[in-house]
Amino acid sequence: QQQVKQSPQSLIVQKGGISIINCAYENTAFDYFPWYQQFPGKGPALLIAIRPDVSEKKEGRFTISFNKSAKQFSLHIMDSQPGDSATYFCAARGARAGSYQLTFGKGTKLSVIP
Amino acid sequence: IAGITQAPTSQILAAGRRMTLRCTQDMRHNAMYWYRQDLGLGLRLIHYSNTAGTTGKGEVPDGYSVSRANTDDFPLTLASAVPSQTSVYFCASSAMTTGELFFGEGSRLTVL
Repeated sequence: QQQVKQSPQSLIVQKGGISIINCAYENTAFDYFPWYQQFPGKGPALLIAIRPDVSEKKEGRFTISFNKSAKQFSLHIMDSQPGDSATYFCAARGARAGSYQLTFGKGTKLSVIP
Repeated sequence: IAGITQAPTSQILAAGRRMTLRCTQDMRHNAMYWYRQDLGLGLRLIHYSNTAGTTGKGEVPDGYSVSRANTDDFPLTLASAVPSQTSVYFCASSAMTTGELFFGEGSRLTVL
């Protein structure tokens, strides 16, 4: 069963526009929500992460918005650039001892066109 | 700075053959993981190890085995490869209490 649902599957955004990717989770025991960025032929790399005790985290052009009651979180990329074109994965980590593995969404392929 | 090293980078394998994907990390992380990545299915956890000497099953463990004899190495073995195991395999590691996974560059495996 999929515990982290990600949408959309693909996204095309004009340069300078805002890219928004959404995720929803089912397990209320998750305690850490990272986003990973993956370029073709490379492994994913951590982009930004948030814990459920805050509603927003911003790092440069990247912002995570977190809604604990709705069990949803989203990634916003402001002033999107062609260099942001990549696949983005949201993820969630279990809070139980011994359960530190990440569960990933299915990914969103972002294309930023000039 | 090496981080996570995976080998081979790519491999074509006949069905029924045995294959071991190698993974080595130099960050002294406690935890290591194997994920497979398939188009439209994202990253799915195969096996993990929270510390040397222990392993656990992930979401899709069938047909795969792992061992963790020491902190640095975490090989993934396909005892008898099948075409459905055609995928890109990523090894990752993390300090056990953090959520940041460091990934290797991946091993592309094709089973014919």
